[in-house]
Amino acid sequence: AQTVTQSQPEMSVQEAETVTLSCTYDTSESDYYLFWYKQPPSRQMILVIRQEAYKQQNATENRFSVNFQKAAKSFSLKISDSQLGDAAMYFCAYRRGGTSYGKLTFGQGTILTVHP
Amino acid sequence: NAGVTQTPKFQVLKTGQSMTLQCAQDMNHNSMYWYRQDPGMGLRLIYYSASEGTTDKGEVPNGYNVSRLNKREFSLRLESAAPSQTSVYFCASRAYAQGLGYGYTFGSGTRLTVV
Repeated sequence: AQTVTQSQPEMSVQEAETVTLSCTYDTSESDYYLFWYKQPPSRQMILVIRQEAYKQQNATENRFSVNFQKAAKSFSLKISDSQLGDAAMYFCAYRRGGTSYGKLTFGQGTILTVHP
Repeated sequence: NAGVTQTPKFQVLKTGQSMTLQCAQDMNHNSMYWYRQDPGMGLRLIYYSASEGTTDKGEVPNGYNVSRLNKREFSLRLESAAPSQTSVYFCASRAYAQGLGYGYTFGSGTRLTVV
């Protein structure tokens, strides 16, 4: 079974600074997808970024970028120019490709605090 | 607005009581899911429905049943609630978009407390 591990229960960053959230995963599959979701206090689950395993290029979305190390099974999220609105719980998630029925496996989550 | 609607948003049950969490999506998505979120454990899959008329167990199905009533609705039932089922429950749906791949939409969650 696939597992996703987020080893940082909590992280903090100063406004305008950069922070990196860690995620590692374990799989024997070669076709898979990785995601970062943001969950603010409203409980809404918001997709931040996704990465296809077959793509070597790291995904970026504005201030959010990932460092995808396939051999090391590592998928970290970098938030640049942090804003107060970035404060939330962040979840790393994995989905096997092919006939997986879209089941997502989530990590434990990292609470990000942004200090003004 | 299009999306996934969960009801109720909050619920307190006594041990042994039963209840059904409702979920409906208006995006014509085929696949739907129920997850529970617990501190330090992330979200874990309870049941899923790959398409209308099919359901299957996820990682933590014990104590739950589901019904895919039609393409829109996917309900989760607790027959005899236990304190261990105190959690936040999320319903989600998934669909494929040309050029974007599969995308997930989550409901706003139900906070359930069993006393």
